[in-house]
Amino acid sequence: DAKTTQPNSMESNEEEPVHLPCNHSTISGTDYIHWYRQLPSQGPEYVIHGLTSNVNNRMASLAIAEDRKSSTLILHRATLRDAAVYYCIPMNTGNQFYFGTGTSLTVIP
Amino acid sequence: EAGVAQSPRYKIIEKRQSVAFWCNPISGHATLYWYQQILGQGPKLLIQFQNNGVVDDSQLPKDRFSAERLKGVDSTLKIQPAKLEDSAVYLCASSLVWSSGGTDTQYFGPGTRLTVL
Repeated sequence: DAKTTQPNSMESNEEEPVHLPCNHSTISGTDYIHWYRQLPSQGPEYVIHGLTSNVNNRMASLAIAEDRKSSTLILHRATLRDAAVYYCIPMNTGNQFYFGTGTSLTVIP
Repeated sequence: EAGVAQSPRYKIIEKRQSVAFWCNPISGHATLYWYQQILGQGPKLLIQFQNNGVVDDSQLPKDRFSAERLKGVDSTLKIQPAKLEDSAVYLCASSLVWSSGGTDTQYFGPGTRLTVL
């Protein structure tokens, strides 16, 4: 299973963009890259996923490197409600997740 | 649509006691997962069901943990007997299909926080 490396923690000012990096150099060619986040005392929730090309949805954007060894989750305007632990997770074809420790995002008012 | 339901939300037991957690997935979801999340760590997959069959239980400590999914809907995870190191949040998740090629979304419940004294 692909291993991921993420910063333990990051800070952002409110209403500024946030770029959350993830390295997944051992990812297989068929693994989708998923991002989930976990707010305090809640279960993880889906943010976005992609395979090769960049993806956008109402929550965030996902930029995937051409060699697929890294990706970046972009929150365009951080709000206090975005304070959470963000997980970058390669998903195999069996739909299985292997979570790392994620990045704890602090949003400063 | 209703989300994944779990009960109880909190449980405190003494070591060597037994405990059971219940999960009701989103209606129509074929795949159900149980995760264990120890404080400060990411969730760890314990078992994955496709309908009422086990797809993967390689990380389930089978000497003390058991899980079943009757009729391919609700699921129960049991620990017997509990150890101190079982203190964690137990998360249930469901997804619509199993073999989606890695595109399916998992929906998580709020979890059950277990404290073993």
